[in-house]
Amino acid sequence: GAGVSQSPRYKVAKRGQDVALRCDPISGHVSLFWYQQALGQGPEFLTYFQNEAQLDKSGLPSDRFFAERPEGSVSTLKIQRTQQEDSAVYLCASSPRTGSYYEQYFGPGTRLTVT
Amino acid sequence: QKEVEQNSGPLSVPEGAIASLNCTYSDRGSQSFFWYRQYSGKSPELIMSIYSNGDKEDGRFTAQLNKASQYVSLLIRDSQPSDSATYLCAGTNAGNNRKLIWGLGTSLAVNP
Repeated sequence: GAGVSQSPRYKVAKRGQDVALRCDPISGHVSLFWYQQALGQGPEFLTYFQNEAQLDKSGLPSDRFFAERPEGSVSTLKIQRTQQEDSAVYLCASSPRTGSYYEQYFGPGTRLTVT
Repeated sequence: QKEVEQNSGPLSVPEGAIASLNCTYSDRGSQSFFWYRQYSGKSPELIMSIYSNGDKEDGRFTAQLNKASQYVSLLIRDSQPSDSATYLCAGTNAGNNRKLIWGLGTSLAVNP
């Protein structure tokens, strides 16, 4: 079946612009995770959804970051007033069960470059 | 600070050899562990998951978990050039079951 998809794959934003990154998880997957990955680093947790409920947003770096998953399927990560330090790859992962105890399947990522 | 530590490498092995990748973790309560492979410019791809002490084999890959020593390893037998990638180790966080703790990854180069 189809895997996790993300769009856009690449995004260039001028500093101060707002961006929206989309994640389409594997159908039926309960859990959805957003990560930020800098070059040469492991993924850094941003936020977690169980169905439509955002149960953990402790990794969001600032109040400029906002995520939603209104119908328990597609999720959007929004970054307001982008800064250069926001440049990174944003990864979305989904899992068929709740929590992080089980396998997560990653999308291809969105590479964000803030100029 | 709960951590997962990996040797950054690069680990270089000849084609056909066994590659051994190691990971230690500080959170004694971690229960599930995962090995992901990440090619340059690509997203992580799940290779193995392991939940209990001992060995778990899947094709050329064997994951080993020793909770007493807080040690997880991944062995790749008959290494191929296509195995050249960064291998990320991740473990669950006993205090928060919503997030994994990730290592920085070990770079593996398999030389033909």
